[in-house]
Amino acid sequence: NAGVTQTPKFRILKIGQSMTLQCTQDMNHNYMYWYRQDPGMGLKLIYYSVGAGITDKGEVPNGYNVSRSTTEDFPLRLELAAPSQTSVYFCASEGGGTDTQYFGPGTRLTVL
Amino acid sequence: KNEVEQSPQNLTAQEGEFITINCSYSVGISALHWLQQHPGGGIVSLFMLSSGKKKHGRLIATINIQEKHSSLHITASHPRDSAVYICATSRGSQGNLIFGKGTKLSVKP
Repeated sequence: NAGVTQTPKFRILKIGQSMTLQCTQDMNHNYMYWYRQDPGMGLKLIYYSVGAGITDKGEVPNGYNVSRSTTEDFPLRLELAAPSQTSVYFCASEGGGTDTQYFGPGTRLTVL
Repeated sequence: KNEVEQSPQNLTAQEGEFITINCSYSVGISALHWLQQHPGGGIVSLFMLSSGKKKHGRLIATINIQEKHSSLHITASHPRDSAVYICATSRGSQGNLIFGKGTKLSVKP
């Protein structure tokens, strides 16, 4: 199993550009999460999903959108990038009754 | 709102020392998680516990529900233990986690 994979690893965006951060898991987990991690701060939940077709907002959803058309994929969309969205983004999945979240390697995004 | 506080923020130890990292939270929870973030950035889950104590190798995690406090202990610390250790709490079934800011541990040889 590859676990949770994220692409790209790094990206630089200009203000106002849009992009999609990809997240895929091959563990057939129902729950998936998007977090952002800012320097010196704890991870913050952006959006989560409890299954295909079901998504909900987390603590910091403004400026982001998600979709969950399949169990495996949970892309995060930034429509109008702003410098405040400069962060490291982590995707995670959970399932199989383990209550353990498995994290992807992260995407480091800089908005200039 | 649940606040998760960790102490210390930074910790430097000599190889072989016994290490304790503390985590306090403010409201009732269903489970507490300890995670490790490697210097390269990857995050792995170490423990999930809702009561008592768990042990995995040289790592021991304890929780006191009444005092809303958990500790992570590392015995016979090694330089490869150098990482950021993160405490997180969950409430309910979806597993939405509230994270502490992390404790940066550096173990010197």
